Order: sequence, then structure tokens, then C-alpha cells
Amino acid sequence: SAVISQKPSRDICQRGTSLTIQCQVDSQVTMMFWYRQQPGQSLTLIATANQGSEATYESGFVIDKFPISRPNLTFSTLTVSNMSPEDSSIYLCSVFAGTSAYEQYFGPGTRLTVT
Amino acid sequence: DQQVKQNSPSLSVQEGRISILNCDYTNSMFDYFLWYKKYPAEGPTFLISISSIKDKNEDGRFTVFLNKSAKHLSLHIVPSQPGDSAVYFCAASVAQKLVFGQGTRLTINP
Repeated sequence: SAVISQKPSRDICQRGTSLTIQCQVDSQVTMMFWYRQQPGQSLTLIATANQGSEATYESGFVIDKFPISRPNLTFSTLTVSNMSPEDSSIYLCSVFAGTSAYEQYFGPGTRLTVT
Repeated sequence: DQQVKQNSPSLSVQEGRISILNCDYTNSMFDYFLWYKKYPAEGPTFLISISSIKDKNEDGRFTVFLNKSAKHLSLHIVPSQPGDSAVYFCAASVAQKLVFGQGTRLTINP
């Protein structure tokens, strides 16, 4: 498995501002994933970040709202831009790890509250 | 369109008995299925997985069953322990991307 850390663990932000969330992995990985879990909801994939290329966004998510950086094989950032209360969620990053090519391991998450 | 569904939002089981969590899916292109456990304020923890070409996978107290014709999978926990109390998510993989169900909150009663 992989050890994944995220910063910050939580934050309270004002409407209209932006927050950048960091994800650090203890080993080099090709693909990193960013998910959102809205209150009482399931996890939804925002985008896939490969090192050296543009992130691939899922339907309903756009780069202007959720810009992603992937400067190297162990680190990625997700920015939540121009925040509104609807952006209040837990944001999680994940990577492939484990014995199969399908098992994703998750960071502890960043709990964001927008007031 | 909810491709992965967990129809039971909660389940309560007595300690020592079997816990059975269910999950249904609609997309026949899913090639791998996984179960995650999530405690409050933590990220999901991988539990067990199964390939779409198998019908059963066992790991200690955890067994996952897959019924492809019914598009149904289940997670069995035997015996259930108090530390198993958590929210359980099933997830399905297509093109290496995971689609999650809504989760089932499992409570193990002493």
C-alpha cells in the first residue's frame, strides 16, 4: 500500500475565495485521482492527474473551477476556485497501490466548509 | 444515473453474527469491484476486491460474492466485531476509474 498525506486536513473559507489542497505520496505513482464527497453523498471522481500531461476531468467538473497541478510523481494539488457553499465537501486524493492494478488507496481527506 | 447502488443506508448486527452488505450495479462494462470501509474524519480504507471473472474472493473474515447475471455483489463479514462499525462503500471499476455506491452504515452491537 501507499502512504498518502493531505494538507490542510480541514479549512473554513469565505465565499468567493480559493483554496489549494496538497496531496503527497510516499512513492512514485503515474496516476493520481481527486474525489469529492459532498455531505451525506458518495465519492465522486473529479479528475485524473498524470505527471507531465493535463488532467482529465469528469463530466460536470471543469478546469477553471478545479485546476490541478502534477509537478512530479509524488505530489499533486487541487485548487477549488471562487468557492460557494455548494463546494463544502471532503476532498480526497488517491493512487493505485496494492497487489492489483485496480486497488486505489486514499488520503485522509480535506474537509472544506465554505461560509 | 446511479450506476452503483447500495440500497440499505444502514445495517445493525449483533457482535459475533454475520454482516451482509449488498450492492447492485447497472454497467456491464465494470471489470473489477472493490469494498472500502470509512471511519469519520478518515479516508476510505481498501478492504477486499474481486475481478469480474470470479464469483468469490475471501480474505480472513471478509468474503465478497459476485453474481454477474444479477449484477449484484455482497460483502460478508464473519464474525462481526465492534471495530467493524463504519460506513462501507462498494465501488466498481471501468477504465481504471472508480464509481462508488452511496454507502451503508454498519453498526455492530455488543
